[in-house]
Amino acid sequence: GAGVSQSPSNKVTEKGKDVELRCDPISGHTALYWYRQSLGQGLEFLIYFQGNSAPDKSGLPSDRFSAERTGGSVSTLTIQRTQQEDSAVYLCASSLGGPLQPQHFGDGTRLSIL
Amino acid sequence: AQKITQTQPGMFVQEKEAVTLDCTYDTSDQSYGLFWYKQPSSGEMIFLIYQGSYDEQNATEGRYSLNFQKARKSANLVISASQLGDSAMYFCAMRVSGEAAGNNRKLIWGLGTSLAVNP
Repeated sequence: GAGVSQSPSNKVTEKGKDVELRCDPISGHTALYWYRQSLGQGLEFLIYFQGNSAPDKSGLPSDRFSAERTGGSVSTLTIQRTQQEDSAVYLCASSLGGPLQPQHFGDGTRLSIL
Repeated sequence: AQKITQTQPGMFVQEKEAVTLDCTYDTSDQSYGLFWYKQPSSGEMIFLIYQGSYDEQNATEGRYSLNFQKARKSANLVISASQLGDSAMYFCAMRVSGEAAGNNRKLIWGLGTSLAVNP
């Protein structure tokens, strides 16, 4: 079946511009996560959605970052007024609702801020 | 505090040999799960194996097995008969699931181990 789909796969933009990253989770997965991974580093948690519950936004690094999930499916991560330190790979993952279900990842969006 | 420690930044193994990647964890929760993921140079994150804290037997998935030692709080990944395609970053992660965790579904990630398989 289809896996987690992320778009675009690569994004290059100028400092100060806004960017939107999209994630389409696996059908039937109620949990959706966004992570950021800088070059050679581990994963940094950004935000988590579970069904209709309020999202866990505790990992968002600043108020320039926001995310929404419409209809319990597709999610969009928005970064406003991008800075060079925002350059990273942004990974989306989804899972079934149970706490010990493995997360399945998309291929990521490589974001480069010039 | 919950934490995952992977003490081996880089490992080398000869093709067809077995290799163990270390992972220790820290949590006061009794109910938790441990996950291993593989990230090849292409960047995708691939789920490998899972061990629950109440599982009595070590998890196995094909050439992957998890050496789970609860008293030592370690969950080492063993890869048998290494293949060239096993060269990748390997991440250990943990999620707690007990009452204290509530709705917390965040995975706690280690910094990873880079494995290189030599021909």
